[in-house]
Amino acid sequence: SQTIHQWPATLVQPVGSPLSLECTVEGTSNPNLYWYRQAAGRGLQLLFYSVGIGQISSEVPQNLSASRPQDRQFILSSKKLLLSDSGFYLCAWSLLYERNTIYFGEGSWLTVV
Amino acid sequence: AQKVTQAQTEISVVEKEDVTLDCVYETRDTTYYLFWYKQPPSGELVFLIRRNSFDEQNEISGRYSWNFQKSTSSFNFTITASQVVDSAVYFCALITTQGGSEKLVFGKGTKLTVNP
Repeated sequence: SQTIHQWPATLVQPVGSPLSLECTVEGTSNPNLYWYRQAAGRGLQLLFYSVGIGQISSEVPQNLSASRPQDRQFILSSKKLLLSDSGFYLCAWSLLYERNTIYFGEGSWLTVV
Repeated sequence: AQKVTQAQTEISVVEKEDVTLDCVYETRDTTYYLFWYKQPPSGELVFLIRRNSFDEQNEISGRYSWNFQKSTSSFNFTITASQVVDSAVYFCALITTQGGSEKLVFGKGTKLTVNP
């Protein structure tokens, strides 16, 4: 069966520090991968999605970037965090050609102070 | 452990029918939040509602209504006079705010198809 893991679960970082959230999927090949963010008081926002290694699409301009160095690995990064980057980040995956069904990781709660 | 159960995998209705999507949750925490999300064919999740554990008032927003009952640990979602545009996968989710970490736990979703 397929599983998805992301870490760390919680993170407190000072403004201006770097960020790296990692996500891996097991039990499937060629998944679509996603990063979502849910900021306080706001809905879940799609940040990036990837349909293959090295292929990243950005949904909104921001201080974050994503990379996919391996088929089942998806990394969310920032060189310098902003206060507005605080929120709950979810990695997710879906089967190729079945983007309607998305499976989520456990989530990472980022607080920028 | 936190768990969200959406027993209905798929529902198919004819336009203008009312439909209720069930959601049952499990948590030992006293403070938690419940969510419903809509995922249309485009794939992006659309936030519909958030309800905290201390607010049991039912809510109505247009054709949407939510019935939160702590006694039965349920947070059901009703669409009145359904429309084709309501066709989507709907996710119920739970987030807890105690225990040192916060996690959003989703149900597996209910795929709603509204036929013309």
